[in-house]
Amino acid sequence: EAEVAQSPRYKITEKSQAVAFWCDPISGHATLYWYRQILGQGPELLVQFQDESVVDDSQLPKDRFSAERLKGVDSTLKIQPAELGDSAMYLCASSLGGISGAEQFFGPGTRLTVL
Amino acid sequence: AQTVTQSQPEMSVQEAETVTLSCTYDTSESNYYLFWYKQPPSRQMILVIRQEAYKQQNATENRFSVNFQKAAKSFSLKISDSQLGDTAMYFCASLGHFGNEKLTFGTGTRLTIIP
Repeated sequence: EAEVAQSPRYKITEKSQAVAFWCDPISGHATLYWYRQILGQGPELLVQFQDESVVDDSQLPKDRFSAERLKGVDSTLKIQPAELGDSAMYLCASSLGGISGAEQFFGPGTRLTVL
Repeated sequence: AQTVTQSQPEMSVQEAETVTLSCTYDTSESNYYLFWYKQPPSRQMILVIRQEAYKQQNATENRFSVNFQKAAKSFSLKISDSQLGDTAMYFCASLGHFGNEKLTFGTGTRLTIIP
């Protein structure tokens, strides 16, 4: 069964360092999402891509976060510099797109700890 | 804007019993979708059940069913014949219509099935 892949699964870094997360969506899925899930809370959308274009990045802290999906397939989320408050689970999800209410399939996430 | 509220941070139930998780939401959308997602410990989030707001009939999926009260903006999840594998965080989420496909999650309910 096709799944969303993410790497690394765990990342420990010191504040002010740069970190990057990678996501490979299910093949054929045009829409890709990055969510941040703080411990004890529900996920919150950071950025949504339709193919290679950003559809919604209203909640992305653009002074330190960046996201790209250059060829409309896999995606990278970067944080530079990392801050203590960035410690969270970063989830990637994908969906077919173009279908209202389409199910979003989630990857296993990257758990980031900033020391 | 959409908001989702889950007022039960934790619940526990004996194996084989029935449990109901509560969720209320608010949305300005005329058409929307509601979901229950399950996040087992250290595993990825998966879809449990989906409801389209324009459909009056409550969705069911094997042992899982919902009670969708549109006027009251309530969307509860009933799990019948609960199993140990149902132990997980459960998130209620809403999704806008095509063009506003951001999932808005509640804070979750941690469900423990007791053997």
